Amino acid sequence: DSGVTQTPKHLITATGQRVTLRCSPRSGDLSVYWYQQSLDQGLQFLIQYYNGEERAKGNILERFSAQQFPDLHSELNLSSLELGDSALYFCASSPRPGVAETQYFGPGTRLLVL
Amino acid sequence: AQKVTQAQTEISVVEKEDVTLDCVYETRDTTYYLFWYKQPPSGELVFLIRRNSFDEQNEISGRYSWNFQKSTSSFNFTITASQVVDSAVYFCALSEAPMNTGFQKLVFGTGTRLLVSP
Repeated sequence: DSGVTQTPKHLITATGQRVTLRCSPRSGDLSVYWYQQSLDQGLQFLIQYYNGEERAKGNILERFSAQQFPDLHSELNLSSLELGDSALYFCASSPRPGVAETQYFGPGTRLLVL
Repeated sequence: AQKVTQAQTEISVVEKEDVTLDCVYETRDTTYYLFWYKQPPSGELVFLIRRNSFDEQNEISGRYSWNFQKSTSSFNFTITASQVVDSAVYFCALSEAPMNTGFQKLVFGTGTRLLVSP
């Protein structure tokens, strides 16, 4: 158990819908990262937050957004869902955002868009 | 641009065999970190090891060992006396960041699926 929690574990929804994925980082970690794992794209970095502020964006679609709240939990919002958004979404956390930090991953949220 | 290549898509071994998973990386930075993660069938990503670019010493942890060679840009992972519980997908990842940006992301390889049969 990495100490990172993600809810829900599974999510089934329809095209065009909007969903919110939630992540709680390990105790003491200030930086949160979101990744998407799909069969065709592999594991891809989406976005990073540090202490409530967005630090970097990766291959995140405009239909997706995220935020980190004062209690440091983070939410990833996916809207206008398409079939291709079906994937495993991981949240990771680290104490700080630097290159030397080890990112510890949560169990993931498996999203299926029908 | 940074890149991680895991050329072995899938490896099948019989229990107690030794197996080496290859990882080759590309980066322009002199300071970077390399990682291995394990993804068992249950799906979570489990951190195994972190190695910085200035430390080329091999590391051993139980049945696991890692060989880092900057000259060949490789960071290979060996499991000795494999067990059925080692069956998983193993990912090699590279972390780098432009100077003073505080921005870090992991770039993952495509993973190697290891199947250990009894």
